[in-house]
Amino acid sequence: DAGVTQSPTHLIKTRGQQVTLRCSPKSGHDTVSWYQQALGQGPQFIFQYYEEEERQRGNFPDRFSGHQFPNYSSELNVNALLLGDSALYLCASSEDSPNYNEQFFGPGTRLTVL
Amino acid sequence: AQSVTQLDSHVSVSEGTPVLLRCNYSSSYSPSLFWYVQHPNKGLQLLLKYTSAATLVKGINGFEAEFKKSETSFHLTKPSAHMSDAAEYFCVVTSDTGRRALTFGSGTRLQVQP
Repeated sequence: DAGVTQSPTHLIKTRGQQVTLRCSPKSGHDTVSWYQQALGQGPQFIFQYYEEEERQRGNFPDRFSGHQFPNYSSELNVNALLLGDSALYLCASSEDSPNYNEQFFGPGTRLTVL
Repeated sequence: AQSVTQLDSHVSVSEGTPVLLRCNYSSSYSPSLFWYVQHPNKGLQLLLKYTSAATLVKGINGFEAEFKKSETSFHLTKPSAHMSDAAEYFCVVTSDTGRRALTFGSGTRLQVQP
């Protein structure tokens, strides 16, 4: 089992550009969540996708958008990049279940905005 | 609303001595609480979880935590530190069973001296 995979590993963009980050969930998982981790801080929840729809969203502007595909993989898109968007972006996958299910995290994509 | 406060940004211990990482939480609902560990260039890994069962929770690698509702605390302990325990530790709260958004603390960096 490959676990949660993310691509690319690193990315450098300039202000105003757009970026797309990708995530493949752990086998058997149908729910994908995205988190932003700025340097020296804890991860912050961006949004969660289930059944190809955004189910829950954190306090992030509309510049952050996402998509989930029928195979449960997901993309995070950020438009009009700002210097403050530089961070480690983490994807987490889980099963949708009424009982507790652990969120499994990928290694992240480090985005640098110049 | 929910939040966690990790009381120490850095903790340094000697190998073989006890570890204590402190966490206080705030939640409007009965919380689920977790500790995650993040090693450099690796994804977040779940150490242990509390989901309203036993208040003393045992996790991986000899770590354990005790849920104290009266003190709104969920401190992480280990009897004897190992060099491999050096990492960033995050206390996490969610009002759901963990299926939805996780709220992370700011993290505690654990250093283990030989």
